Amino acid sequence: DIQMTQSPSSLSASVGDTVTITCRASQGITTNLAWYLQKPGTAPERLIYAASSLQSGVPSRFSGSVSGTEFTLTISSLQPEDFATYYCLQYDSYPHSFGQGTRLQL
Amino acid sequence: QVQLVQSGSEVKKPGSSVKVSCKASGGTFSTYAFNWVRQAPGQALEWMGDILPKFAMEHYKQKFQGRLKITTDESSKTVYMDLSSLRSEDTAVYYCAMTSYFSDFWGQGTLVTVSS
Repeated sequence: DIQMTQSPSSLSASVGDTVTITCRASQGITTNLAWYLQKPGTAPERLIYAASSLQSGVPSRFSGSVSGTEFTLTISSLQPEDFATYYCLQYDSYPHSFGQGTRLQL
Repeated sequence: QVQLVQSGSEVKKPGSSVKVSCKASGGTFSTYAFNWVRQAPGQALEWMGDILPKFAMEHYKQKFQGRLKITTDESSKTVYMDLSSLRSEDTAVYYCAMTSYFSDFWGQGTLVTVSS
C-alpha cells in the first residue's frame, strides 16, 4: 500500500501569510494526488486535483506542485476562512490513501 | 447541481451491522466513482472503498475485507455502505463522495456510534 507522509502536522500563521504543506508518497504516483480542506463539522472539499489543477470555484491563492514523489500545497495571502485542516489524497492505486492532515491555525 | 444526501445517525451494538445510504441528485450516476471515507473522532480521514457503477467494480481497503460491502441502486441513484461485525473502533462519521476527474461531491456525513 502507498503511504502518504504529510507535514507539518500543525502550522501557525497569520492572515496575509503564505504557507506550504507537503505530502511525500512512499512510491511513485505520477500526478494522481488531490488536496482537500476540511472545516470542523463539515465534509472535506477538494481544492486541487491532478497535483496542480485548481478545482472549479476555488480561489487562485491555492496552488499545487509536484517534484518526484513530493507534493506541495501553497496558500498565498491567507484569508480567515483558510484556517482549517488540510489533507492530501493519492488516488493512483488501490487502496487510495490520505495523509495524516495539517491543522492550520491562527 | 449535484447533491448527495446521506441517511441519519445510527447507534449500534458491537457485533451488529450498519447500512448507510447516500442518494445522489443531479449528474450522470454511472459515470462517477462512489467512495466511502470515514473519520473517527479527532482523527484523520480514512479511505474505505469505492464502487464504479460503469465498470461494475468495487475496491476495498484490506482492513475492511470481508465486512464491508458497497452497492448501488441506479434506479434510485443511491449508494449503500454496509459494514458488519461492528466494534467500538468503528465509531466515526462516514462520508460518501462522488468523484470524477473534474468533479468531487460529498455527502453531509453520517455518525455511526458503536456502543454496548
